[in-house]
Amino acid sequence: DQQVKQNSPSLSVQEGRISILNCDYTNSMFDYFLWYKKYPAEGPTFLISISSIKDKNEDGRFTVFLNKSAKHLSLHIVPSQPGDSAVYFCAASRKTTGNQFYFGTGTSLTVIP
Amino acid sequence: ETGVTQSPTHLIKTRGQQVTLRCSSQSGHNTVSWYQQALGQGPQFIFQYYREEENGRGNFPPRFSGLQFPNYSSELNVNALELDDSALYLCASSEAMNTEAFFGQGTRLTVV
Repeated sequence: DQQVKQNSPSLSVQEGRISILNCDYTNSMFDYFLWYKKYPAEGPTFLISISSIKDKNEDGRFTVFLNKSAKHLSLHIVPSQPGDSAVYFCAASRKTTGNQFYFGTGTSLTVIP
Repeated sequence: ETGVTQSPTHLIKTRGQQVTLRCSSQSGHNTVSWYQQALGQGPQFIFQYYREEENGRGNFPPRFSGLQFPNYSSELNVNALELDDSALYLCASSEAMNTEAFFGQGTRLTVV
């Protein structure tokens, strides 16, 4: 039962352009969403998060958008840089259960110089 | 550098054996969660410990068990290993249940 889905296994963009990574969820009880970035041979590192009371959160080049009615969130990276090349995981949780995350299957982003 | 260290980094075990994986968290991190990441999949939540008590469990059988110690270290034990247990096992720690979680680099377990 995959409650968080990332339907694009991979994405390639040119350096300087926008990268858009998408994520869908099925459980309406989720109220906290995160994006993690993972390099090979390293654990995931936290990138950005959003609470269900917001529809947008921005941190530098990274913006996360949440559409609760569609149960969809997206991560925008502008401008994309070669160092952004990594696997990006979308995760969801409920504030009442804390850091018990449900992860998507990941999107491998390649930024071409 | 997340301050979360897992050992060993790689491990090969035979089906039916038992394995113990270890995680050393940052001082003050009272919450630790364990995840299993199979090849091509996202991490799946196994269980969480808060102040040495189990605080939530995912859809994993009882042969997956854990311990958390007062010195901010923890263990994941898996009994009666099956081939499908081959995966990357990640631990994540945080000061509290809703503060930022820091992941270790993982232990790659191969069951043959």
